[in-house]
Amino acid sequence: AQSVTQLDSQVPVFEEAPVELRCNYSSSVSVYLFWYVQYPNQGLQLLLKYLSGSTLVKGINGFEAEFNKSQTSFHLRKPSVHISDTAEYFCAVKEGEYGNKLVFGAGTILRVKS
Amino acid sequence: DAGVTQSPTHLIKTRGQQVTLRCSPISGHKSVSWYQQVLGQGPQFIFQYYEKEERGRGNFPDRFSARQFPNYSSELNVNALLLGDSALYLCASSWTGTSYEQYFGPGTRLTVT
Repeated sequence: AQSVTQLDSQVPVFEEAPVELRCNYSSSVSVYLFWYVQYPNQGLQLLLKYLSGSTLVKGINGFEAEFNKSQTSFHLRKPSVHISDTAEYFCAVKEGEYGNKLVFGAGTILRVKS
Repeated sequence: DAGVTQSPTHLIKTRGQQVTLRCSPISGHKSVSWYQQVLGQGPQFIFQYYEKEERGRGNFPDRFSARQFPNYSSELNVNALLLGDSALYLCASSWTGTSYEQYFGPGTRLTVT
């Protein structure tokens, strides 16, 4: 079975600073990776996904992630964060070729300070 | 267009009771998946339904059941509630049974006392 490890439970950062949220996954033949964001009292919103092709994936709100097969990592980055980026971020892997099941990490809370 | 809707938003139940949660997918979406998110953890997969048939089941006890209706809406039922069932229950919809893009609803917050 797939598993996802988010290495930091909380990441504090000052506004306009860069940030990286780390994610490692268990290896598999087919890997489909996702980052979701959850604002307080809301559901999950898809930030970006890696299915195949270029290892650098760009998403919404200025976020990007890099797929590294040798390191089994999919770290999320943003060059300059805003207060509004304060939220919880989840890395997820789709399990298998069929079905829609996602396996999520435990989440990383990003706290942007002014 | 309306997104995924879930009802109720919040509810409080007592141990041993039964609860039904409802989900309406985005118009045209035929698959619904349910996830449980316990406070401080990532969502965990419970069920997936596609075209009214179960397509996947997570590691949850038989107290959890679900169904999908002809209009593709779905219900999640939990019997004999335990304190540990307190969580945010999320519904996600997608066009097909195998999809790389799912849309999540706002969730139903269940508190068991």
